[in-house]
Amino acid sequence: QKEVEQNSGPLSVPEGAIASLNCTYSDRGSQSFFWYRQYSGKSPELIMFIYSNGDKEDGRFTAQLNKASQYVSLLIRDSQPSDSATYLCASGGGGSQGNLIFGKGTKLSVKP
Amino acid sequence: EAQVTQNPRYLITVTGKKLTVTCSQNMNHEYMSWYRQDPGLGLRQIYYSMNVEVTDKGDVPEGYKVSRKEKRNFPLILESPSPNQTSLYFCASRHSGPEREQFFGPGTRLTVL
Repeated sequence: QKEVEQNSGPLSVPEGAIASLNCTYSDRGSQSFFWYRQYSGKSPELIMFIYSNGDKEDGRFTAQLNKASQYVSLLIRDSQPSDSATYLCASGGGGSQGNLIFGKGTKLSVKP
Repeated sequence: EAQVTQNPRYLITVTGKKLTVTCSQNMNHEYMSWYRQDPGLGLRQIYYSMNVEVTDKGDVPEGYKVSRKEKRNFPLILESPSPNQTSLYFCASRHSGPEREQFFGPGTRLTVL
Protein backbone atom coordinates (compact mmCIF):
# COMPACT_ATOMS: atom_id res chain seq x y z
CA GLN A 1 0.00 0.00 0.00
CA LYS A 2 1.58 3.24 -1.15
CA GLU A 3 1.35 5.85 1.57
CA VAL A 4 2.23 9.40 2.44
CA GLU A 5 2.68 10.02 6.16
CA GLN A 6 2.34 13.31 7.96
CA ASN A 7 2.22 14.25 11.61
CA SER A 8 -1.37 15.33 12.22
CA GLY A 9 -0.34 18.05 14.66
CA PRO A 10 -1.52 20.50 15.65
CA LEU A 11 1.74 22.32 15.14
CA SER A 12 1.69 25.62 16.96
CA VAL A 13 4.19 28.40 16.20
CA PRO A 14 4.29 32.07 17.19
CA GLU A 15 3.76 34.76 14.59
CA GLY A 16 6.99 35.55 12.76
CA ALA A 17 8.58 32.17 13.44
CA ILE A 18 9.49 29.46 10.94
CA ALA A 19 6.99 26.63 10.62
CA SER A 20 8.43 23.28 9.52
CA LEU A 21 6.11 20.66 8.08
CA ASN A 22 7.32 17.19 7.20
CA CYS A 23 6.16 14.26 5.14
CA THR A 24 7.50 10.84 4.20
CA TYR A 25 6.41 8.67 1.29
CA SER A 26 6.65 4.97 0.65
CA ASP A 27 6.66 4.74 -3.16
CA ARG A 28 10.24 5.04 -4.39
CA GLY A 29 8.90 5.53 -7.90
CA SER A 30 7.24 8.83 -6.97
CA GLN A 31 8.54 11.66 -9.11
CA SER A 32 6.57 14.71 -8.09
CA PHE A 33 5.57 16.16 -4.76
CA PHE A 34 3.01 18.75 -3.88
CA TRP A 35 2.05 20.82 -0.86
CA TYR A 36 -1.56 21.95 -0.60
CA ARG A 37 -3.03 24.33 1.95
CA GLN A 38 -6.59 23.74 3.08
CA TYR A 39 -8.64 26.06 5.23
CA SER A 40 -11.44 24.47 7.22
CA GLY A 41 -14.36 23.55 4.97
CA LYS A 42 -12.58 24.83 1.84
CA SER A 43 -10.90 23.08 -1.05
CA PRO A 44 -7.16 22.30 -1.15
CA GLU A 45 -5.06 24.97 -2.80
CA LEU A 46 -1.64 24.20 -4.30
CA ILE A 47 1.16 26.26 -2.78
CA MET A 48 4.33 24.43 -3.87
CA PHE A 49 5.50 21.55 -6.02
CA ILE A 50 8.95 20.00 -6.27
CA TYR A 51 10.42 17.35 -8.56
CA SER A 52 14.17 17.47 -7.94
CA ASN A 53 16.28 16.80 -4.89
CA GLY A 54 17.15 19.92 -2.96
CA ASP A 55 15.34 23.12 -2.13
CA LYS A 56 12.82 25.18 -4.02
CA GLU A 57 11.87 28.62 -2.77
CA ASP A 58 8.79 30.69 -3.54
CA GLY A 59 8.35 33.78 -1.41
CA ARG A 60 8.02 32.77 2.23
CA PHE A 61 7.74 29.09 1.30
CA THR A 62 10.57 26.61 0.76
CA ALA A 63 10.00 23.00 -0.24
CA GLN A 64 12.75 20.48 0.35
CA LEU A 65 13.03 17.04 -1.21
CA ASN A 66 15.34 14.18 -0.30
CA LYS A 67 14.56 11.19 -2.50
CA ALA A 68 17.14 8.96 -0.83
CA SER A 69 15.37 9.40 2.50
CA GLN A 70 11.91 9.61 0.86
CA TYR A 71 11.31 12.81 2.74
CA VAL A 72 9.63 16.06 1.78
CA SER A 73 9.32 19.18 3.88
CA LEU A 74 7.78 22.62 3.71
CA LEU A 75 9.20 25.60 5.54
CA ILE A 76 7.11 28.70 6.06
CA ARG A 77 9.16 31.73 7.06
CA ASP A 78 7.74 34.71 8.93
CA SER A 79 4.58 32.74 9.73
CA GLN A 80 1.37 34.73 9.82
CA PRO A 81 -1.96 33.95 11.52
CA SER A 82 -3.41 33.66 7.99
CA ASP A 83 -1.11 30.65 7.45
CA SER A 84 -3.16 28.74 10.03
CA ALA A 85 -4.60 25.84 8.04
CA THR A 86 -4.13 22.17 7.34
CA TYR A 87 -1.25 21.37 4.99
CA LEU A 88 -1.54 18.33 2.76
CA CYS A 89 1.47 16.61 1.26
CA ALA A 90 0.95 14.57 -1.91
CA SER A 91 3.14 12.40 -4.13
CA GLY A 92 2.65 11.51 -7.76
CA GLY A 93 4.23 9.74 -10.67
CA GLY A 94 4.77 6.42 -9.01
CA GLY A 95 2.98 3.18 -9.61
CA SER A 96 -0.46 4.56 -8.91
CA GLN A 97 -1.60 5.17 -12.50
CA GLY A 98 -0.87 8.83 -12.18
CA ASN A 99 -3.07 9.36 -9.16
CA LEU A 100 -1.81 11.61 -6.41
CA ILE A 101 -1.41 9.98 -3.03
CA PHE A 102 -2.32 12.38 -0.23
CA GLY A 103 -1.23 12.43 3.37
CA LYS A 104 -3.86 13.15 6.00
CA GLY A 105 -2.47 16.59 6.62
CA THR A 106 -0.79 18.58 9.37
CA LYS A 107 -2.79 21.25 11.13
CA LEU A 108 -0.77 24.43 11.63
CA SER A 109 -1.74 27.12 14.11
CA VAL A 110 0.11 30.45 14.07
CA LYS A 111 -0.45 32.38 17.29
CA PRO A 112 -0.38 36.21 17.18
CA GLU B 1 -11.37 32.31 -15.25
CA ALA B 2 -9.85 28.82 -15.12
CA GLN B 3 -11.81 26.79 -12.64
CA VAL B 4 -13.47 23.60 -11.54
CA THR B 5 -17.12 24.01 -10.59
CA GLN B 6 -19.33 21.70 -8.59
CA ASN B 7 -23.06 21.72 -7.99
CA PRO B 8 -24.77 21.69 -5.64
CA ARG B 9 -22.46 23.08 -2.97
CA TYR B 10 -24.66 21.83 -0.15
CA LEU B 11 -27.20 19.03 -0.20
CA ILE B 12 -29.31 17.36 2.46
CA THR B 13 -31.15 14.28 1.29
CA VAL B 14 -32.69 11.07 2.59
CA THR B 15 -31.54 7.49 2.37
CA GLY B 16 -32.20 5.88 -0.99
CA LYS B 17 -33.01 8.99 -3.01
CA LYS B 18 -30.78 9.03 -6.09
CA LEU B 19 -28.67 12.11 -6.55
CA THR B 20 -26.05 13.51 -8.91
CA VAL B 21 -23.28 15.95 -8.09
CA THR B 22 -22.01 17.70 -11.20
CA CYS B 23 -18.42 18.66 -11.89
CA SER B 24 -17.20 20.76 -14.78
CA GLN B 25 -13.80 22.20 -15.72
CA ASN B 26 -12.92 24.79 -18.37
CA MET B 27 -9.18 24.06 -18.64
CA ASN B 28 -9.37 21.25 -21.21
CA HIS B 29 -7.92 18.82 -18.68
CA GLU B 30 -7.73 15.17 -19.59
CA TYR B 31 -7.71 13.84 -16.04
CA MET B 32 -10.57 14.27 -13.58
CA SER B 33 -11.16 12.73 -10.18
CA TRP B 34 -13.58 12.59 -7.26
CA TYR B 35 -12.55 12.54 -3.60
CA ARG B 36 -14.36 12.41 -0.32
CA GLN B 37 -12.93 13.93 2.82
CA ASP B 38 -13.86 12.81 6.30
CA PRO B 39 -12.39 13.87 9.67
CA GLY B 40 -9.33 11.83 10.53
CA LEU B 41 -9.37 9.97 7.21
CA GLY B 42 -8.04 12.62 4.88
CA LEU B 43 -8.80 12.76 1.15
CA ARG B 44 -9.83 9.43 -0.30
CA GLN B 45 -10.22 8.92 -4.01
CA ILE B 46 -13.56 7.57 -5.21
CA TYR B 47 -13.19 7.39 -9.00
CA TYR B 48 -10.97 8.93 -11.62
CA SER B 49 -10.95 9.38 -15.36
CA MET B 50 -7.89 9.60 -17.59
CA ASN B 51 -9.93 10.86 -20.54
CA VAL B 52 -13.34 10.70 -22.22
CA GLU B 53 -15.01 7.30 -21.79
CA VAL B 54 -12.13 6.09 -19.58
CA THR B 55 -12.95 5.74 -15.88
CA ASP B 56 -11.53 3.63 -13.09
CA LYS B 57 -12.10 2.93 -9.42
CA GLY B 58 -10.19 4.72 -6.71
CA ASP B 59 -9.83 3.60 -3.12
CA VAL B 60 -13.47 3.88 -2.03
CA PRO B 61 -15.76 3.34 -5.06
CA GLU B 62 -18.55 1.37 -3.37
CA GLY B 63 -21.92 3.08 -3.64
CA TYR B 64 -20.84 5.53 -6.35
CA LYS B 65 -20.97 5.71 -10.12
CA VAL B 66 -19.37 8.11 -12.58
CA SER B 67 -19.43 8.80 -16.28
CA ARG B 68 -17.21 10.78 -18.64
CA LYS B 69 -19.11 11.44 -21.84
CA GLU B 70 -17.56 14.85 -22.41
CA LYS B 71 -14.09 16.05 -21.57
CA ARG B 72 -15.27 18.92 -19.38
CA ASN B 73 -17.83 17.06 -17.25
CA PHE B 74 -17.46 14.28 -14.70
CA PRO B 75 -20.65 13.76 -12.66
CA LEU B 76 -20.75 11.69 -9.49
CA ILE B 77 -23.87 9.59 -9.05
CA LEU B 78 -25.17 8.09 -5.84
CA GLU B 79 -27.86 5.62 -6.88
CA SER B 80 -29.06 4.86 -3.35
CA PRO B 81 -27.36 7.14 -0.84
CA SER B 82 -26.80 5.94 2.70
CA PRO B 83 -25.84 7.86 5.86
CA ASN B 84 -22.23 6.64 5.63
CA GLN B 85 -21.90 8.67 2.45
CA THR B 86 -22.36 11.87 4.42
CA SER B 87 -19.13 13.68 3.62
CA LEU B 88 -17.39 16.58 1.94
CA TYR B 89 -16.82 15.81 -1.74
CA PHE B 90 -14.24 17.36 -4.03
CA CYS B 91 -13.84 17.13 -7.77
CA ALA B 92 -10.38 17.77 -9.22
CA SER B 93 -8.78 17.99 -12.64
CA ARG B 94 -5.39 18.35 -14.30
CA HIS B 95 -3.61 17.72 -17.58
CA SER B 96 -2.19 14.26 -18.17
CA GLY B 97 1.01 13.46 -16.32
CA PRO B 98 1.26 13.16 -12.55
CA GLU B 99 3.66 16.10 -12.41
CA ARG B 100 0.96 18.50 -13.49
CA GLU B 101 -0.85 20.73 -11.01
CA GLN B 102 -4.18 19.37 -9.85
CA PHE B 103 -6.99 21.87 -9.36
CA PHE B 104 -9.84 21.27 -6.93
CA GLY B 105 -13.45 22.34 -7.10
CA PRO B 106 -15.02 24.22 -4.16
CA GLY B 107 -16.52 21.10 -2.61
CA THR B 108 -19.99 19.69 -2.02
CA ARG B 109 -21.13 19.05 1.52
CA LEU B 110 -23.56 16.14 1.44
CA THR B 111 -25.71 15.00 4.35
CA VAL B 112 -27.73 11.80 4.02
CA LEU B 113 -30.40 11.36 6.66
